[in-house]
Amino acid sequence: GQNIDQPTEMTATEGAIVQINCTYQTSGFNGLFWYQQHAGEAPTFLSYNVLDGLEEKGRFSSFLSRSKGYSYLLLKELQMKDSASYLCAVYDSNYQLIWGAGTKLIIKP
Amino acid sequence: NAGVTQTPKFRVLKTGQSMTLLCAQDMNHEYMYWYRQDPGMGLRLIHYSVGEGTTAKGEVPDGYNVSRLKKQNFLLGLESAAPSQTSVYFCASKTSGDTGELFFGEGSRLTVL
Repeated sequence: GQNIDQPTEMTATEGAIVQINCTYQTSGFNGLFWYQQHAGEAPTFLSYNVLDGLEEKGRFSSFLSRSKGYSYLLLKELQMKDSASYLCAVYDSNYQLIWGAGTKLIIKP
Repeated sequence: NAGVTQTPKFRVLKTGQSMTLLCAQDMNHEYMYWYRQDPGMGLRLIHYSVGEGTTAKGEVPDGYNVSRLKKQNFLLGLESAAPSQTSVYFCASKTSGDTGELFFGEGSRLTVL
């Protein structure tokens, strides 16, 4: 079966750095997304990785290692508004999007 | 641009009742999707469409039907609602092509008593 694993919940302090990991076992790979979802709202796009390496976008960075089936989302200079769930999703060999259950990130002052 | 709009936002049904959720997008996207989101689980694909007049089953299609009569609209129907269909439903769309970012509606929270 296809599977994406993320931690269920993480807690971090305002101003700090947090890394959210995602490991995947899918039938093929055609790209990996990170989405942010605030409680009661729609998921919104954060990043897309298709090649190995780090993609940086402001305070957020996303890393991919295809050989390890692994990605992480790095959030720097955490702000209270970063409290949200972070969803990892992978396009498999049939270009079906497989979603992880999401990581709820709690930011404390 | 409104993006992706879902109606209604909230609905309470009794077991056995029927209803339709409407999704409308103004981005001229070819592909549209209906997902359900339940606590502790990833988004699960119910049905999807790759163009006007086409529909296909996703991971959890049972108990749902869909129609894509116009390119901008994607309807999700529940013929006979069951408590197991209590969930938050999200519509999403994207441009044509195998990959690409999905744009989501704000969600529709459905409770079946």
